[in-house]
Formats: sequence, C-alpha cells, structure tokens
Amino acid sequence: KAGVTQTPRYLIKTRGQQVTLSCSPISGHRSVSWYQQTPGQGLQFLFEYFSETQRNKGNFPGRFSGRQFSNSRSEMNVSTLELGDSALYLCASSSYGNEQYFGPGTRLTVT
Amino acid sequence: GESVGLHLPTLSVQEGDNSIINCAYSNSASDYFIWYKQESGKGPQFIIDIRSNMDKRQGQRVTVLLNKTVKHLSLQIAATQPGDSAVYFCAENPYSGGGADGLTFGKGTHLIIQP
Repeated sequence: KAGVTQTPRYLIKTRGQQVTLSCSPISGHRSVSWYQQTPGQGLQFLFEYFSETQRNKGNFPGRFSGRQFSNSRSEMNVSTLELGDSALYLCASSSYGNEQYFGPGTRLTVT
Repeated sequence: GESVGLHLPTLSVQEGDNSIINCAYSNSASDYFIWYKQESGKGPQFIIDIRSNMDKRQGQRVTVLLNKTVKHLSLQIAATQPGDSAVYFCAENPYSGGGADGLTFGKGTHLIIQP
C-alpha cells in the first residue's frame, strides 16, 4: 500500500506571496492532518479534515487554511507569506483512531 | 506552554546497548500516547503507541512504559543499531475516541549511536 505523498517536496516563495501544498493520504484513510515543523517551535498541529470537513484546528492565524476533497486528498494554503512561515509542512493520514502516518513533508522557504 | 516534553535533547549510546528516551507530559486527561522516529529529510515514522489503561506495551525491540502517577512516558530500544539514529518524539492526544484530534508533540530527543 502506498504511503502518504506530498507535493511539492521543496518550494521557495517570496514574502507576500501565497502557496498551496498538496497531500494524498493512504488509500482508505479519510482523516488528514497538517503540521508545521520548525527548529524553534517543533511540530505544531495546524488542522485536521475528515470527510471534507475541518474537525479540529490548531492555534494558527487565518492565513493558514485547508480543504479536503471527496477522494480524501487535501490541500493547505498559506496566504501573505511571512519569513516565519519557512518550515517543513507535514501531512498525516489515519483511518480511524489515533495512529497517524506521516508523509515526507514539503520544505517551504520564504525569502 | 508545551504539554509534552522530553528530558534530554541529545542522547548518545554505544551500538548494541539499550537506549531509554524519556518524556514528561502535563495533561492528565491525555489517554493516548505515541512515539515517533524522524530521520533526516523524512517525516515522522510511527514506532509504538500506548493507551492510558495500560502501563507497558512491547513491540519489536521497543518497549513503551507509561507511569500515569508521575505523568511520565519512556521508550526503550533494545540492542541499539546504527539505523536507530534519529530524532525521537513523544506525542499525546488528550481526546478519547476516534479521529485525529491534533497530536501535541514534544521537542524531540536526538539519539546518536556511537560505534
């Protein structure tokens, strides 16, 4: 069974731009969660989607948003990028319960 | 503040020895705990989990111990191998029931294997 895939793997953007990251969960998994990982703050929960609905949200500004499609694929969007948004963005999927499987992440660099 | 943390940012062990990585949590309502391993350039990889109704769980070469009295979690790796070099994170989920309600991660411990 294929794992969680994320695209693109690397991205360089300029301050003020917006970016969209994509995540394809493991086949059959309906829950997709997004996390931001930085050296200073570690792994922080952004939001979780289940059956196209946002079920839970972390403590991030409204510039961070996401959505989930009927095939469970998910995207997250960051608008008006700031230098502090530079991070590894991780997507995780789960079928039911708490065991989450992570993708390799998208490395976003904001200049 | 952070609800899940690890005692040591770096742990160095000799190849073949046993490793013990510790984690303290502060949310007594948490009922599910997970250990992840993250190698350089990769996403976190699930190692083992434990629910609050258990105090010990064993996997292949790994054991997780949970002490709810002092809110402490540990990961024991037997016969450490070079491939065990990675950053290890503990995570907690304070919500019971199904669904991924947002794991809270500790800062991580970098396990270094000495030849």
